[in-house]
Amino acid sequence: GENVEQHPSTLSVQEGDSAVIKCTYSDSASNYFPWYKQELGKRPQLIIDIRSNVGEKKDQRIAVTLNKTAKHFSLHITETQPEDSAVYFCAASKGGGSYIPTFGRGTSLIVHP
Amino acid sequence: DSGVTQTPKHLITATGQRVTLRCSPRSGDLSVYWYQQSLDQGLQFLIQYYNGEERAKGNILERFSAQQFPDLHSELNLSSLELGDSALYFCASSVVPGDLYEQYFGPGTRLTVT
Repeated sequence: GENVEQHPSTLSVQEGDSAVIKCTYSDSASNYFPWYKQELGKRPQLIIDIRSNVGEKKDQRIAVTLNKTAKHFSLHITETQPEDSAVYFCAASKGGGSYIPTFGRGTSLIVHP
Repeated sequence: DSGVTQTPKHLITATGQRVTLRCSPRSGDLSVYWYQQSLDQGLQFLIQYYNGEERAKGNILERFSAQQFPDLHSELNLSSLELGDSALYFCASSVVPGDLYEQYFGPGTRLTVT
């Protein structure tokens, strides 16, 4: 089955810095890669996703890149703010009619004011 | 508020017992997903339903079962509970199955097995 590795497990940055979280996946058939943000004690929320036919996607301060050949994808957050502090999860799925995600173990992002 | 509701919020029970977790999807959503989040295993997909039918299975133990009822609410039944079943259980819903429509997560049910 699919295996998703996520690094780092903890990331501490100063407000205004950029943050990068990296994930690798094992199943070359995976073609949908969402990222979730989970604040302490809250539910996961989808923040951005990318499909295998796209190499990069941006949404304001958040961007995701995908390298299908190397089977890795990354989340980039620019101009970090304290409210970006949360646990971020990547996931990989074959997509289609049955969305069956495999998640990374999560990255705890801490943004210091 | 995502519009997905889960009850109860917290549940404390003993090993060997059986519990039922309930989920009501957002209005109009036909698909329901169940996830388990624990310190040991992280976030794991358990099972998916669409309009009352099981659509996909993930890492769901045989001691666990689920169903989706005609009114589209779903229940996750956990039996012969073990300490390792202590976790946060999330339900999510989407319009239809698949990755074309965003999943909205409920607030979760925290299960503690003592």
